[in-house]
Amino acid sequence: DVKVTQSSRYLVKRTGEKVFLECVQDMDHENMFWYRQDPGLGLRLIYFSYDVKMKEKGDIPEGYSVSREKKERFSLILESASTNQTSMYLCASTLTGGNQPQHFGDGTRLSIL
Amino acid sequence: DQQVKQNSPSLSVQEGRISILNCDYTNSMFDYFLWYKKYPAEGPTFLISISSIKDKNEDGRFTVFLNKSAKHLSLHIVPSQPGDSAVYFCAASAFSGFQKLVFGTGTRLLVSP
Repeated sequence: DVKVTQSSRYLVKRTGEKVFLECVQDMDHENMFWYRQDPGLGLRLIYFSYDVKMKEKGDIPEGYSVSREKKERFSLILESASTNQTSMYLCASTLTGGNQPQHFGDGTRLSIL
Repeated sequence: DQQVKQNSPSLSVQEGRISILNCDYTNSMFDYFLWYKKYPAEGPTFLISISSIKDKNEDGRFTVFLNKSAKHLSLHIVPSQPGDSAVYFCAASAFSGFQKLVFGTGTRLLVSP
């Protein structure tokens, strides 16, 4: 079974802090994704990466950056946290080629005070 | 611009009856469609998918129907069970070597005993 692990289930930070969310997958997937889930808005793509050191902006990248130094690890960075970044953050991974579903971690519920 | 729409935020069904969840899309380039189930405080779990070359895919109690001319897909759960109570997201992608998914806003299904 694919395992996508997010380092924290719950996180509370203050406005202006730099926040790191970590995600690790154990299935040698090339592609990794960061989403945020908000009520009534579904899942929205923040950033994705299709290879080590490669990254692409998703639909809502403002205020975020990412890092992918190793294939199995994809980090989401909030450069200066703001209250409107309070959300559920979900990491996913998938293989390249064919119709492959994305596999998700359990999410990090982040509160910015 | 919401490319994938789930117009019913919630659905209530009695145990043993059929649950029908609906999803509409606008992008005619979408060629792969998925349904995910999400319990509170967990990440989405892949449920079933369908390629645009098919109009039906079945897996146990779950069947997905695709009507390309209407740009509509639906998920049928028969018979519904209380454990099916969750939020269901439909998602779509236009093949680009890997699956960059566009998600709907979700439908909360409640199956009562």
